[in-house]
Amino acid sequence: LAKTTQPISMDSYEGQEVNITCSHNNIATNDYITWYQQFPSQGPRFIIQGYKTKVTNEVASLFIPADRKSSTLSLPRVSLSDTAVYYCLVGDPWYSSASKIIFGSGTRLSIRP
Amino acid sequence: NAGVTQTPKFRVLKTGQSMTLLCAQDMNHEYMYWYRQDPGMGLRLIHYSVGEGTTAKGEVPDGYNVSRLKKQNFLLGLESAAPSQTSVYFCASKFDGGSEFFGPGTRLTVL
Repeated sequence: LAKTTQPISMDSYEGQEVNITCSHNNIATNDYITWYQQFPSQGPRFIIQGYKTKVTNEVASLFIPADRKSSTLSLPRVSLSDTAVYYCLVGDPWYSSASKIIFGSGTRLSIRP
Repeated sequence: NAGVTQTPKFRVLKTGQSMTLLCAQDMNHEYMYWYRQDPGMGLRLIHYSVGEGTTAKGEVPDGYNVSRLKKQNFLLGLESAAPSQTSVYFCASKFDGGSEFFGPGTRLTVL
């Protein structure tokens, strides 16, 4: 069961690049790394998913080193609207047993003007 | 395409009362999930379903029951509500291999 460790909170300023690192030392061969964003009073929203190396979409980039024991979510040029809680999840999206995918406490990101 | 919807949005119960939370999705997803989220905490999986007519226990199933009679609906029941069940409840659904889509949540208070 791959458990993840993230910083509890981070602060940054508008226009900066923010990198949130997640540690997952026990990641299994079939596990993917997925990041979700959650605003207050809303359900989590999918941001990005990857297996190895680098994945980029219109919102973020995900960097995964060769050993896959950690990953870094990169948010370019953040704005106030990026203030949210970010969750790193590790699991096999094709495995029917959903209980193997665990939400941790997440990283509370605060963006200042 | 409404995505994942939850009914009701808010509810206040007295200890011992029962209620059912409804989750509906119009994306033809196979998998559906119920989570609870307590203040300042991450989400904890209560029950889930991998298809119509099937359900399974998650991390914190005690005190809850579920049913998936139709593919698009996943019901969460509380037979005898307790103050410890005060929480925000989120439903989610996904395709096999895909990412989860979450509903807007139901805020439940048990007095």
